[in-house]
Amino acid sequence: SYELTQPPSVSVSPGQTASITCSGHEVGDKYVSWYQQKPGQSPMVIIYQDNKRPSGVPERFSGSNSGNTATLTITGTQAMDEGDYYCQAWESRAHVVFGGGTKLTVL
Amino acid sequence: EVRLVESGGGLVQPGGSLRLSCAASGFTFHMYWMSWVRQAPGKGLEWVASINYAESENYYVDSVKGRFTISRDNAKNSLFLQMDTLGAEDTALYYCAITQGVPSGTYFQDWGPGTLVTVSS
Repeated sequence: SYELTQPPSVSVSPGQTASITCSGHEVGDKYVSWYQQKPGQSPMVIIYQDNKRPSGVPERFSGSNSGNTATLTITGTQAMDEGDYYCQAWESRAHVVFGGGTKLTVL
Repeated sequence: EVRLVESGGGLVQPGGSLRLSCAASGFTFHMYWMSWVRQAPGKGLEWVASINYAESENYYVDSVKGRFTISRDNAKNSLFLQMDTLGAEDTALYYCAITQGVPSGTYFQDWGPGTLVTVSS
């Protein structure tokens, strides 16, 4: 079955750039979306179809996808960006696949 | 404003059944694919099922095929998930979500707050 692999945790200092990776076989050939989930809240899409940002999502969030790795980049990370981040893609057999999630800590 | 409100969760014994509902408002429900996504306590997200506008297409994760049935009532702006033969592994918070980009660009645009299903004796 198709798998998307994320690092369990990423730490970043305020104002610095955070990168969260999502690895999968030829994931660059698929569209990847990213979700942010804060404690006690529902997930929220922050990047869809590799690099599109929904209205209302700050410009500091961006996405890229090539080869076997998709990346979510947060430029100028703020304390409010702490939370769990999930990548997600469509695969023809498994249909929808989520990564295991990455806990972002801003310290 | 888009609003999705799930209901129907609760405590059920192993082998039992439960029917979840999702009441939708603030958008043209019958024009969108809809999905259920679940999250076990302290765990990550797992897609469960998706259904198209006319109920003519649906997809399920392998682990629920033959046990869960997704359906919708466009006249009542409602989405449903009939869950049968429940097991402990089905214990999770179940989210209803508006689904865009099906199939290859699938993503979940809006989410409800979820309804908790606990399978335990």
